[in-house]
Amino acid sequence: DIEMTQSPSSLSASVGDRVTITCRASQNIHTNLNWYQQRPGKAPKLLIYTTSSLQNGVPSRFSGGGSGTDFTLTITDLRPEDLGTYYCQQGHSNPRTFGRGTKVEIK
Amino acid sequence: QLQLQESGPGLVKTSETLSLTCSVSGGSIATSNYYWAWIRQPPGEWLEWIGSVFYTGTTYYNPSLMGRVTISVDTSNRQFSLTLRSVAAGDTATYYCARQGIGVSSFAFDIWGQGTKVIASS
Repeated sequence: DIEMTQSPSSLSASVGDRVTITCRASQNIHTNLNWYQQRPGKAPKLLIYTTSSLQNGVPSRFSGGGSGTDFTLTITDLRPEDLGTYYCQQGHSNPRTFGRGTKVEIK
Repeated sequence: QLQLQESGPGLVKTSETLSLTCSVSGGSIATSNYYWAWIRQPPGEWLEWIGSVFYTGTTYYNPSLMGRVTISVDTSNRQFSLTLRSVAAGDTATYYCARQGIGVSSFAFDIWGQGTKVIASS
C-alpha cells in the first residue's frame, strides 16, 4: 500500500494568513494526488484533483502543487470558513489511501 | 444535481453482518465515467477506502477488508450496497458512499453522501 504522510498534523493561523500543508507519498505517484476539506461533523468535500486542478465551485485561494512524492496544498487569505481538517489521497493505485489529516484552526 | 444518500442500521451486533445501501438521485449510476465507492471513518480518525464498484458489477476492494466485504450495484434502482461480514468493534465508524472519477481526475471522490454512523457492539 502507498502510505500518505501529512504535516503538520494541526496548525493555528489567523484570518488573512497564508497556510501550506504538505503531503508525502511513500512511492512515486506522479501527479495522482487529491485534496479534501472536512468541516466538523460534515462529509469530506473535494477541493483539488490531479495535484493542481481546482474542483468546480472551490475558491481560487486554494491551490495545489508538487509531483512524484511531495505535494502541497496552499490556502492564501485564510477565511473563518476554512476551519476543518484537510486530507490528501493518492489516486495512483489500489488500495486508494488517505493521509491522516491536518486540522486547521483559526486563531 | 447528483446526490447520494446512505441508509441502513445504526447499530449492528459484533460477529453479525452490516448492510448499507447508497441511493443515487439526480443522475445515472450506469455511466462509464465513474466508479461508486464506500469509504469509512472511525471516530476521531482518518478516512479509509473500503472498495468501489463499476456499473457492470466489477469490484475493487481494500485488501485489509478482503474476504469480509462485498459491494454490489443495482442499476435499475440506482443503488449500490455494502455488505460487511463478521463485524467487530473496530468496524465502528461513519460510512460514506461516494462517486469516484476514472482516469484524468486521479480517481478522486467528487460527490459524497452525508454519511451514516454505525456502531458495532455486543
